[in-house]
Amino acid sequence: GAVVSQHPSWVICKSGTSVKIECRSLDFQATTMFWYRQFPKQSLMLMATSNEGSKATYEQGVEKDKFLINHASLTLSTLTVTSAHPEDSSFYICSARDASLSGGSPLRGQYFGPGTRLTVT
Amino acid sequence: GNSVTQMEGPVTLSEEAFLTINCTYTATGYPSLFWYVQYPGEGLQLLLKATKADDKGSNKGFEATYRKETTSFHLEKGSVQVSDSAVYFCALSGVGTSGSRLTFGEGTQLTVNP
Repeated sequence: GAVVSQHPSWVICKSGTSVKIECRSLDFQATTMFWYRQFPKQSLMLMATSNEGSKATYEQGVEKDKFLINHASLTLSTLTVTSAHPEDSSFYICSARDASLSGGSPLRGQYFGPGTRLTVT
Repeated sequence: GNSVTQMEGPVTLSEEAFLTINCTYTATGYPSLFWYVQYPGEGLQLLLKATKADDKGSNKGFEATYRKETTSFHLEKGSVQVSDSAVYFCALSGVGTSGSRLTFGEGTQLTVNP
């Protein structure tokens, strides 16, 4: 089946630094990728929708200047947490939509990465 | 707005026990409903789905029925196995232009002991 990878799987950084998280579709092309964050014992919250070659669409309340998203190719989207603070510590999950299976329901062919645990000290 | 409420975990069962994980939702219109499963160290995988009222989604022995009258989509399995140990997420997708956006429940950790 389709595989989505994330790198790194976990990262610890100091407050004020920036961290980049990569999301890759390994065996399919993804015109659309989604970024979620999850706090302990809470649901996944959609942060933004990333479209290849265009600007990301951010959900209400998500700071686009703090969470920079770049979807430069059909297999890679990156999320950069800028000037990270302890309250940014969370589990970040991406999903990628298989461009070849996007006919019909827009939810067809959406695959999730394993997530990245970010801890800001 | 849309929301999903799941049964709180963790849930611990013995092998071959009956499983129910409750899920209720709030949404406008007729959303599609999903159950996703996340095995340790892996990404979320679609387990089953239902796109209209009274539909029953099923996969790997799991079932869930879209109940519009009770706004529920409870997950059931008649006989769980150790390999079913995972986190289960109930989710819905909006209608219209928001159709591709998923709203998730909190997730329910299931542990099945031999």
